[in-house]
Amino acid sequence: DAKTTQPPSMDCAEGRAANLPCNHSTISGNEYVYWYRQIHSQGPQYIIHGLKNNETNEMASLIITEDRKSSTLILPHATLRDTAVYYCIVSYTDYKLSFGAGTTVTVRA
Amino acid sequence: GAGVSQTPSNKVTEKGKYVELRCDPISGHTALYWYRQSLGQGPEFLIYFQGTGAADDSGLPNDRFFAVRPEGSVSTLKIQRTERGDSAVYLCASSPGDRVSGNTIYFGEGSWLTVV
Repeated sequence: DAKTTQPPSMDCAEGRAANLPCNHSTISGNEYVYWYRQIHSQGPQYIIHGLKNNETNEMASLIITEDRKSSTLILPHATLRDTAVYYCIVSYTDYKLSFGAGTTVTVRA
Repeated sequence: GAGVSQTPSNKVTEKGKYVELRCDPISGHTALYWYRQSLGQGPEFLIYFQGTGAADDSGLPNDRFFAVRPEGSVSTLKIQRTERGDSAVYLCASSPGDRVSGNTIYFGEGSWLTVV
Protein backbone atom coordinates (compact mmCIF):
# COMPACT_ATOMS: atom_id res chain seq x y z
CA ASP A 1 0.00 0.00 0.00
CA ALA A 2 1.10 3.57 -0.69
CA LYS A 3 2.62 5.51 2.18
CA THR A 4 1.24 8.81 3.42
CA THR A 5 2.84 11.92 4.85
CA GLN A 6 1.02 14.10 7.37
CA PRO A 7 2.17 16.99 9.55
CA PRO A 8 2.77 15.75 13.10
CA SER A 9 0.54 18.36 14.71
CA MET A 10 -1.66 21.34 14.08
CA ASP A 11 -3.83 23.74 16.06
CA CYS A 12 -7.09 25.27 15.03
CA ALA A 13 -9.60 27.64 16.58
CA GLU A 14 -12.97 26.47 17.75
CA GLY A 15 -15.68 27.28 15.22
CA ARG A 16 -13.25 27.64 12.34
CA ALA A 17 -12.63 25.16 9.54
CA ALA A 18 -9.77 22.75 10.05
CA ASN A 19 -7.91 21.69 6.91
CA LEU A 20 -5.76 18.58 7.35
CA PRO A 21 -3.34 17.84 4.51
CA CYS A 22 -2.05 14.44 3.43
CA ASN A 23 0.46 13.55 0.73
CA HIS A 24 0.29 10.17 -0.98
CA SER A 25 2.37 10.60 -4.12
CA THR A 26 2.79 6.85 -4.75
CA ILE A 27 -0.91 6.02 -4.65
CA SER A 28 -2.12 3.43 -7.15
CA GLY A 29 -5.21 3.74 -9.29
CA ASN A 30 -7.27 1.27 -7.27
CA GLU A 31 -6.29 2.52 -3.81
CA TYR A 32 -8.77 4.39 -1.65
CA VAL A 33 -7.97 7.29 0.66
CA TYR A 34 -9.36 6.73 4.15
CA TRP A 35 -9.48 9.09 7.11
CA TYR A 36 -9.89 7.91 10.66
CA ARG A 37 -9.48 9.72 13.94
CA GLN A 38 -8.72 8.55 17.44
CA ILE A 39 -9.79 10.46 20.47
CA HIS A 40 -7.69 9.77 23.54
CA SER A 41 -8.30 6.31 25.03
CA GLN A 42 -10.89 5.36 22.44
CA GLY A 43 -10.83 3.13 19.39
CA PRO A 44 -10.32 4.69 15.94
CA GLN A 45 -13.40 6.27 14.40
CA TYR A 46 -14.11 6.22 10.69
CA ILE A 47 -14.54 9.67 9.17
CA ILE A 48 -14.68 9.42 5.41
CA HIS A 49 -13.11 7.74 2.40
CA GLY A 50 -12.87 8.33 -1.33
CA LEU A 51 -11.33 7.03 -4.53
CA LYS A 52 -11.26 9.86 -7.05
CA ASN A 53 -14.12 12.25 -6.44
CA ASN A 54 -14.51 14.65 -3.56
CA GLU A 55 -16.72 13.32 -0.82
CA THR A 56 -18.81 14.91 1.92
CA ASN A 57 -20.70 13.46 4.85
CA GLU A 58 -22.07 14.74 8.12
CA MET A 59 -18.62 14.79 9.71
CA ALA A 60 -16.28 16.15 7.08
CA SER A 61 -15.36 16.75 3.46
CA LEU A 62 -12.57 15.01 1.57
CA ILE A 63 -10.89 16.85 -1.27
CA ILE A 64 -8.67 14.68 -3.52
CA THR A 65 -6.47 16.39 -6.09
CA GLU A 66 -6.97 15.47 -9.73
CA ASP A 67 -3.67 13.55 -9.85
CA ARG A 68 -4.66 11.85 -6.55
CA LYS A 69 -1.23 12.51 -5.07
CA SER A 70 -2.61 14.47 -2.15
CA SER A 71 -5.82 15.09 -0.28
CA THR A 72 -7.28 17.38 2.37
CA LEU A 73 -9.71 16.54 5.10
CA ILE A 74 -11.91 19.48 6.03
CA LEU A 75 -13.72 19.72 9.34
CA PRO A 76 -16.09 22.62 8.56
CA HIS A 77 -16.68 23.92 12.09
CA ALA A 78 -14.17 22.49 14.53
CA THR A 79 -15.29 21.94 18.12
CA LEU A 80 -13.30 21.02 21.21
CA ARG A 81 -14.56 17.45 20.78
CA ASP A 82 -12.69 17.24 17.48
CA THR A 83 -9.35 17.23 19.33
CA ALA A 84 -7.83 13.89 18.30
CA VAL A 85 -5.16 12.16 16.24
CA TYR A 86 -6.21 12.09 12.59
CA TYR A 87 -4.93 9.33 10.34
CA CYS A 88 -4.77 9.49 6.55
CA ILE A 89 -4.51 5.98 5.09
CA VAL A 90 -4.18 4.78 1.54
CA SER A 91 -5.14 1.20 0.85
CA TYR A 92 -6.62 -1.09 -1.78
CA THR A 93 -8.17 -3.29 0.84
CA ASP A 94 -10.04 -1.73 3.72
CA TYR A 95 -9.01 -4.39 6.20
CA LYS A 96 -5.25 -4.01 6.25
CA LEU A 97 -4.90 -0.36 7.13
CA SER A 98 -1.48 1.15 7.90
CA PHE A 99 -2.24 3.93 10.35
CA GLY A 100 1.15 5.61 10.64
CA ALA A 101 1.71 8.42 13.14
CA GLY A 102 -1.13 10.70 12.08
CA THR A 103 -1.68 14.39 12.82
CA THR A 104 -2.44 15.46 16.36
CA VAL A 105 -5.10 18.13 16.04
CA THR A 106 -5.75 20.40 18.98
CA VAL A 107 -8.84 22.60 18.84
CA ARG A 108 -8.50 25.65 21.07
CA ALA A 109 -11.32 27.75 22.49
CA GLY B 1 -25.31 -1.74 22.36
CA ALA B 2 -24.97 -1.49 18.61
CA GLY B 3 -21.20 -1.14 18.46
CA VAL B 4 -18.27 -3.54 18.60
CA SER B 5 -17.93 -4.88 22.12
CA GLN B 6 -14.64 -6.04 23.63
CA THR B 7 -13.95 -7.77 26.90
CA PRO B 8 -12.17 -7.40 29.20
CA SER B 9 -11.58 -3.68 28.91
CA ASN B 10 -8.48 -4.01 31.06
CA LYS B 11 -6.34 -7.04 31.82
CA VAL B 12 -3.18 -7.28 33.91
CA THR B 13 -1.35 -10.58 33.69
CA GLU B 14 1.99 -11.99 34.73
CA LYS B 15 4.71 -12.78 32.24
CA GLY B 16 4.35 -16.29 30.92
CA LYS B 17 0.59 -16.55 31.49
CA TYR B 18 -2.08 -17.28 28.87
CA VAL B 19 -4.60 -14.57 27.93
CA GLU B 20 -7.84 -14.54 25.95
CA LEU B 21 -9.44 -11.37 24.62
CA ARG B 22 -12.99 -11.46 23.30
CA CYS B 23 -14.67 -9.44 20.55
CA ASP B 24 -18.38 -9.26 19.77
CA PRO B 25 -18.81 -7.57 16.36
CA ILE B 26 -21.73 -5.54 15.11
CA SER B 27 -24.63 -7.84 14.32
CA GLY B 28 -24.62 -8.97 10.71
CA HIS B 29 -21.03 -7.96 10.00
CA THR B 30 -19.22 -10.77 8.25
CA ALA B 31 -15.75 -9.25 8.40
CA LEU B 32 -13.82 -8.98 11.66
CA TYR B 33 -10.38 -7.55 12.30
CA TRP B 34 -7.86 -7.47 15.13
CA TYR B 35 -5.33 -4.67 15.50
CA ARG B 36 -2.74 -3.92 18.17
CA GLN B 37 -1.74 -0.45 19.31
CA SER B 38 1.38 0.13 21.37
CA LEU B 39 1.82 3.30 23.39
CA GLY B 40 2.39 6.34 21.19
CA GLN B 41 1.93 4.47 17.93
CA GLY B 42 -0.87 3.95 15.46
CA PRO B 43 -2.79 0.67 15.32
CA GLU B 44 -1.13 -2.24 13.53
CA PHE B 45 -3.02 -4.95 11.66
CA LEU B 46 -2.96 -8.46 13.11
CA ILE B 47 -5.59 -10.63 11.44
CA TYR B 48 -8.73 -10.47 9.31
CA PHE B 49 -11.66 -12.90 9.31
CA GLN B 50 -14.25 -13.25 6.60
CA GLY B 51 -16.91 -15.40 8.19
CA THR B 52 -15.31 -18.23 10.16
CA GLY B 53 -12.03 -18.32 8.30
CA ALA B 54 -8.91 -16.25 8.72
CA ALA B 55 -8.53 -14.59 5.32
CA ASP B 56 -5.27 -12.88 6.27
CA ASP B 57 -3.22 -13.55 9.40
CA SER B 58 -0.01 -11.99 8.13
CA GLY B 59 0.07 -9.43 10.93
CA LEU B 60 0.29 -11.91 13.79
CA PRO B 61 3.78 -11.32 15.26
CA ASN B 62 4.62 -14.96 16.10
CA ASP B 63 3.09 -18.33 16.90
CA ARG B 64 2.21 -17.28 20.45
CA PHE B 65 -0.69 -15.35 18.95
CA PHE B 66 -3.77 -17.12 17.64
CA ALA B 67 -7.34 -16.05 16.89
CA VAL B 68 -10.54 -17.95 16.24
CA ARG B 69 -14.05 -17.16 15.10
CA PRO B 70 -15.78 -20.56 15.18
CA GLU B 71 -19.34 -19.46 14.37
CA GLY B 72 -18.61 -16.42 12.26
CA SER B 73 -19.59 -13.94 14.94
CA VAL B 74 -17.68 -13.66 18.23
CA SER B 75 -13.90 -13.86 17.97
CA THR B 76 -11.25 -14.64 20.57
CA LEU B 77 -7.63 -13.52 20.37
CA LYS B 78 -5.40 -15.88 22.31
CA ILE B 79 -1.90 -15.08 23.51
CA GLN B 80 0.29 -17.81 24.98
CA ARG B 81 3.33 -17.34 27.20
CA THR B 82 2.79 -13.60 27.41
CA GLU B 83 5.81 -11.29 27.36
CA ARG B 84 6.15 -7.72 28.61
CA GLY B 85 6.39 -6.57 24.98
CA ASP B 86 2.84 -7.82 24.40
CA SER B 87 1.53 -4.96 26.54
CA ALA B 88 -0.70 -2.89 24.28
CA VAL B 89 -4.27 -2.06 23.42
CA TYR B 90 -5.84 -4.82 21.35
CA LEU B 91 -8.50 -3.38 19.06
CA CYS B 92 -11.23 -5.34 17.36
CA ALA B 93 -13.21 -4.02 14.42
CA SER B 94 -15.93 -5.24 12.09
CA SER B 95 -17.48 -4.29 8.78
CA PRO B 96 -20.24 -5.55 6.49
CA GLY B 97 -17.54 -7.18 4.39
CA ASP B 98 -19.68 -7.23 1.30
CA ARG B 99 -16.89 -6.07 -1.00
CA VAL B 100 -13.12 -6.00 -1.06
CA SER B 101 -12.61 -2.30 -0.52
CA GLY B 102 -14.54 0.81 0.35
CA ASN B 103 -16.17 -0.75 3.42
CA THR B 104 -16.54 1.28 6.57
CA ILE B 105 -14.76 -0.38 9.48
CA TYR B 106 -16.08 0.13 12.99
CA PHE B 107 -13.67 -0.24 15.89
CA GLY B 108 -14.32 -1.22 19.47
CA GLU B 109 -12.86 0.57 22.49
CA GLY B 110 -10.09 -1.97 22.84
CA SER B 111 -8.76 -4.30 25.52
CA TRP B 112 -5.84 -2.82 27.42
CA LEU B 113 -3.37 -5.62 28.18
CA THR B 114 -0.55 -5.11 30.65
CA VAL B 115 2.00 -7.86 31.16
CA VAL B 116 4.01 -7.47 34.37
